[in-house]
This record gives sequence, structure tokens and C-alpha cells, in this order.
Amino acid sequence: DVQLVESGGGLVKPGGSLRLSCAGSGYTFSTYNMNWVRQAPGKGLEWVSSISGDSNYIYQADSMKGRFTISRDNAKNSLYLQMDSLRAEDTAVYYCARHRRTGDPFDNWGQGTLVTVSS
Amino acid sequence: EIVLTQSPATLSLSPGERATLSCRASQSVTSKLAWYQQKPGQAPRLLIYDASNRATGIPARFSGSGSGTDFTLTISSLEPEDFAVYYCQQRSNWPCSFGQGTKLEIK
Repeated sequence: DVQLVESGGGLVKPGGSLRLSCAGSGYTFSTYNMNWVRQAPGKGLEWVSSISGDSNYIYQADSMKGRFTISRDNAKNSLYLQMDSLRAEDTAVYYCARHRRTGDPFDNWGQGTLVTVSS
Repeated sequence: EIVLTQSPATLSLSPGERATLSCRASQSVTSKLAWYQQKPGQAPRLLIYDASNRATGIPARFSGSGSGTDFTLTISSLEPEDFAVYYCQQRSNWPCSFGQGTKLEIK
């Protein structure tokens, strides 16, 4: 079975940094594009960033450019999100999700990891 | 950026009734539209992709239609487990975008 498991969330002060991880299993990790999507408490889904299987293509939401960096290590079947200069409005559950090809939907999602930015 | 507008924001229906949810795009997304279901405390689950294709394991009571800018998710006869929030997502252009969601609640 395909599994995506996020980790690394927690409480961080405004201006701080956090690195999220997502471990994939049950499929050939390198053949799928990966994504981060977040959901603020009581709000809808917001796409954050995407990375191709070979890391050659990266897309990012404008509102997070310069602060968030997506990366992956296919040897470790892992996806990462480095989050810097965190703000209160970055408080959310962060999900990783995969898609097969350009234009494909996100067919499997992790259970999410909660990031809380507060002093 | 393509903006997706879902309507209604909340839909109150009873089990056994038919549900019709709408998603409108600010510009054409051809057929590159997906629908997701999310229950409280859970991750979203893919229901429909490419506007009208059911994802693996999705019951036949869920169907999608539309192309271009106007799309519909229909649940033919509501089961108790169908009450949830539904999101549309366009996969036509970057940045990918989601609608704001429709909450389907029990009347």
C-alpha cells in the first residue's frame, strides 16, 4: 500500500524555522512528483509547492517564495519543506501528496503534520 | 492564477437525496479538474479526476461532469458517510489552485 507520512511539525516562534519531512513507501518514490499543501485551522486547502521526480522542476506559491524551500532525496524516499521566517499566518496542517505526471491529480496524501507559529 | 469558485458554500440535504456541487473556473482549465472529499481530522481523498473519471475505489454514486470553466460533482443518493467538505482543484496551469470548498451537511 502507498503510504506518505509527514513529520517535523511543532510549535515555533515567529521568525523561526522548521523543516518538515515526508516519507514515502509502497511505490517507486522517484517516479512521482511531490507536493506540499497546507490547511489553516478551519480553512480550505492551499497549495504550497511542488517538485518533479528528478528535482529539475520546482513550483512554488508566490506568497511563500523566498521563505519556503522544497527538496527531495530519492535515495531516502523522502520529501522536505524548509520553512524560514515563519509567521503566525503559516500556522496550518501541512500535507504531502503525490502526482504521477503533469496535470494529474494528487492521488495519495499523508495524514498531515501541524505547524503552530506563536510566541 | 486561475481562481476556482465553489457553490454553494454549504449544502444541507438528507440521506438518500441527490447532491449537486458546482465549481467555476476564472478561465478554461479544459478537463483538468479534480474533486476531493475531506472529513474532519482526515486528509483529503481523491474522488474524481479529469472532470469525470472516478478514482480507484470510489463508489458509482459519485460522478463528475463539465469542461472549460463549469464543473459539477453529483452524488446520486447520499449515504451517511458522504457528509463532508468537498474541494475542486485545477491541474491545467501552475500555480495549481483549489476552490474554497462546499460543506455538505445533514439536514
